[in-house]
Amino acid sequence: EIVLTQSPGTLSLSPGEGATLSCRASQSVSSSYLAWYQQKPGQAPRLLISGASSRATGIPDRFSGSGSGTDFTLTISRLEPEDFAVYYCQQYGTSPPRYIFGQGTKLEIK
Amino acid sequence: QVQLQESGPGLVKPSGTLSLTCVVSGDSISNNNWWSWVRQPPGKGLEWIGEIYHGGNTNYNPSLKSRVTLSVDKSKNQFSLKLSSVTAADTAIYYCARHFGYSHDSWGQGTLVTVSS
Repeated sequence: EIVLTQSPGTLSLSPGEGATLSCRASQSVSSSYLAWYQQKPGQAPRLLISGASSRATGIPDRFSGSGSGTDFTLTISRLEPEDFAVYYCQQYGTSPPRYIFGQGTKLEIK
Repeated sequence: QVQLQESGPGLVKPSGTLSLTCVVSGDSISNNNWWSWVRQPPGKGLEWIGEIYHGGNTNYNPSLKSRVTLSVDKSKNQFSLKLSSVTAADTAIYYCARHFGYSHDSWGQGTLVTVSS
């Protein structure tokens, strides 16, 4: 079973700064199978990026995804106050469990 | 615009069965989509429980497979989760979600289920 490790666990930044969140897989993952979600307190996760780099509908272009193989990155340029949340990466697998989530990165206001 | 809404008891006794339903609006459950359940213990991360197709095909997380049953009711445009032999470790917010490719693009608001006597 593939394990997704996100780093850092917590990232403290100020509005206007850029953020780089990492998701590392224990085995190579197809880029098509890697997604990123944002979750704010009391809310359901929100799909940001699918296929490692494709923004979901309505997602601002300050969010971008990249990576391949075992290393994937979510980049947020020019942080807005509403961007402070927890971010999860997720991988689809061809054998169960079909979906595996990373443990999350909390992006907090410095 | 698709909407998903979970419903079911918020309190289940230990060793009992957790039963939840997800009603879908704005999309037909019979469209070419899989539908998932995901849970999140309070203050913790996300765990995928399983998925179901409108034809009844299912895939489960091996860690829960022996206790989980998913079903679909196309006439009511809804799908359901049953989790048996629950313990306190099953206390979580339970979400239903629609698949989009290899991700989940629409989620219910989530429902908190507490396992306690």
